[in-house]
Amino acid sequence: DSGVTQTPKHLITATGQRVTLRCSPRSGDLSVYWYQQSLDQGLQFLIHYYNGEERAKGNILERFSAQQFPDLHSELNLSSLELGDSALYFCASSVAGTGHYTFGSGTRLTVV
Amino acid sequence: KNQVEQSPQSLIILEGKNCTLQCNYTVSPFSNLRWYKQDTGRGPVSLTIMTFSENTKSNGRYTATLDADTKQSSLHITASQLSDSASYICVVILTGGGNKLTFGTGTQLKVEL
Repeated sequence: DSGVTQTPKHLITATGQRVTLRCSPRSGDLSVYWYQQSLDQGLQFLIHYYNGEERAKGNILERFSAQQFPDLHSELNLSSLELGDSALYFCASSVAGTGHYTFGSGTRLTVV
Repeated sequence: KNQVEQSPQSLIILEGKNCTLQCNYTVSPFSNLRWYKQDTGRGPVSLTIMTFSENTKSNGRYTATLDADTKQSSLHITASQLSDSASYICVVILTGGGNKLTFGTGTQLKVEL
């Protein structure tokens, strides 16, 4: 157990639907990063939150959004889902300034 | 073109044998370079972390090397075990703020009996 908890582990949904992925960072970590890993692709950075504030955005689609709550857990919202959104979604947390990133086990999203 | 390229894309070796995985990167300026191991369906786990001034770093049977001049890194695995079967990902950490991690697409290693 890495200390980063992601739920659900698996999610199957239909095109056009909306889903929410959840991430609880490791205790004490203020930063949460979201990544998308499509089949045979490297992890692609989506968005970074630090202590509730958005810090950086990557190639995140407008259909996707995220937030980090006061208790530091984060949610990634994916809407108007398309078949191409099927992927593994990982979150990672880190303590500011240490450069140590801890990844969760991911949520496997399948859009049918 | 990916800024972090890894080779080979996949590799099959016999248990007990050694292997070397390659990583070439173009991103800069970078703070450090890491190798991660990712088991199927799991999140990446850090194996080694090297700053730009380090040439080599070991972690058990894993030894990473870095040549900052040629922007190349390698991960050498000795006496491979079945449990080494996984994807090995080279990650370059950039200096500055924002997203610092640039991932390679990984080398898929399979260790067979």
